[in-house]
Amino acid sequence: DAKTTQPPSMDCAEGRAANLPCNHSTISGNEYVYWYRQIHSQGPQYIIHGLKNNETNEMASLIITEDRKSSTLILPHATLRDTAVYYCIVRVASGGTSYGKLTFGQGTILTVHP
Amino acid sequence: GAVVSQHPSWVICKSGTSVKIECRSLDFQATTMFWYRQFPKQSLMLMATSNEGSKATYEQGVEKDKFLINHASLTLSTLTVTSAHPEDSSFYICSASRRGAWSGELFFGEGSRLTVL
Repeated sequence: DAKTTQPPSMDCAEGRAANLPCNHSTISGNEYVYWYRQIHSQGPQYIIHGLKNNETNEMASLIITEDRKSSTLILPHATLRDTAVYYCIVRVASGGTSYGKLTFGQGTILTVHP
Repeated sequence: GAVVSQHPSWVICKSGTSVKIECRSLDFQATTMFWYRQFPKQSLMLMATSNEGSKATYEQGVEKDKFLINHASLTLSTLTVTSAHPEDSSFYICSASRRGAWSGELFFGEGSRLTVL
């Protein structure tokens, strides 16, 4: 799986958009970009994933650059409950017994303040 | 959405004893479950991959005789920490992949915090 690079920490004001960047310059053509977050002392929570098109769901938007070497997770209106560690992971979406095996980096600690 | 449940959510044990942690997929069948370990202020580290009806595959550096994994059914995998020592104190998390259908989502349990005295 391709390696990702994320800033170690970010701050965001409540109600504002939080934009979390991720670099994955060695991503392969069949690798997806996944975002998970982990609130303190809980298991990771799936947020969104995408291949090359931008994606949006009820939680967030994912913007992937045209060359796919980087992406940005956008939380449109951050709340205090969005304070968590956000992980950007790239991996093949399916196939064989490795399906579901995720390699976590250090992630970005997002702190949303009042 | 699919739910993965772990039990117990926290456990304290004496050094030298064994502790069993359960991971259940509550509303789907999971052919594969994954066990992770997370030390304070660190990221999740994959320990092993558990396939229903077969032996688990352990990551490099993880002692299979110390961390016994059993995946006896499509909804249950167990991790047993044998002869636990204080350095085994950690947050253990499982994840499960749904049988038969690809989904971008991978489902994680709530985690089990082990403290060995």
